[in-house]
Amino acid sequence: SQTIHQWPATLVQPVGSPLSLECTVEGTSNPNLYWYRQAAGRGLQLLFYSVGIGQISSEVPQNLSASRPQDRQFILSSKKLLLSDSGFYLCAWSVRPLRGTEAFFGQGTRLTVV
Amino acid sequence: AQTVTQSQPEMSVQEAETVTLSCTYDTSENNYYLFWYKQPPSRQMILVIRQEAYKQQNATENRFSVNFQKAAKSFSLKISDSQLGDTAMYFCAFMKIQGAQKLVFGQGTRLTINP
Repeated sequence: SQTIHQWPATLVQPVGSPLSLECTVEGTSNPNLYWYRQAAGRGLQLLFYSVGIGQISSEVPQNLSASRPQDRQFILSSKKLLLSDSGFYLCAWSVRPLRGTEAFFGQGTRLTVV
Repeated sequence: AQTVTQSQPEMSVQEAETVTLSCTYDTSENNYYLFWYKQPPSRQMILVIRQEAYKQQNATENRFSVNFQKAAKSFSLKISDSQLGDTAMYFCAFMKIQGAQKLVFGQGTRLTINP
C-alpha cells in the first residue's frame, strides 16, 4: 500500500535561519507531488507542485523553494526564514496520470518562526 | 486559472440535522474532478467524496452527497443525519484532467455539530 511520510511534525526556527522539510512517498512511482501551506484557520494555499524529477512549478512568489531530487522525494526549503513563513505545511501526492484518484496527504509540519 | 470559492466561513447545526456546504468554482475546462475534503482537529486531510465532471449523476457516500451543477459551476456538499464526529473544516477542491494537474482548494468552511 502507498504511504506518505512528512517530517518533522513540529519545528520552531528563528528568523533568518534556513529551512528544510522533507516528504517521501512509498508504494507508488512517478506521483504528482504537492506542497501546501495553511495559515491558522485558513484554507490550503498551493505553493509548489511537481510532475517529475526536477520538474517544479511555483504557484506564488515567496521566500520558499522546492526540489525533487528523486521520484518519490519532495523537499521544501528556505535560505532565510521570515516571520510570515509560519504556518502548517502539508505535503501530498496523487497518481499520474490522473484517473480521478484523490490526493493523499502527509501529517503536516507546524512551523513557527520566532 | 482555476479558483474555488466557499462563501460560508463557519456553520453550526444540531446533531442529526442536515447541513449543506456551498462551493463554486471558476474554470474554462470541460473535464475535471471535484472533491470535498474534511480536516478534523487532528489536521489530517480526509477525502469525503469526489465527482467527475463528465458524470451527470451526483456522487453519494453514505450520509454525504453532492449537488453538482456543471453549468452553474456549483458543487455543494450535503451531510445528512449529522454526527458529532462530522465537526471539522471542510474544503472543496478542483483538479483539471488535462495539462497541469494541480489540486486547488477553497478557503474552507468550519462546521460544528452541536449535541
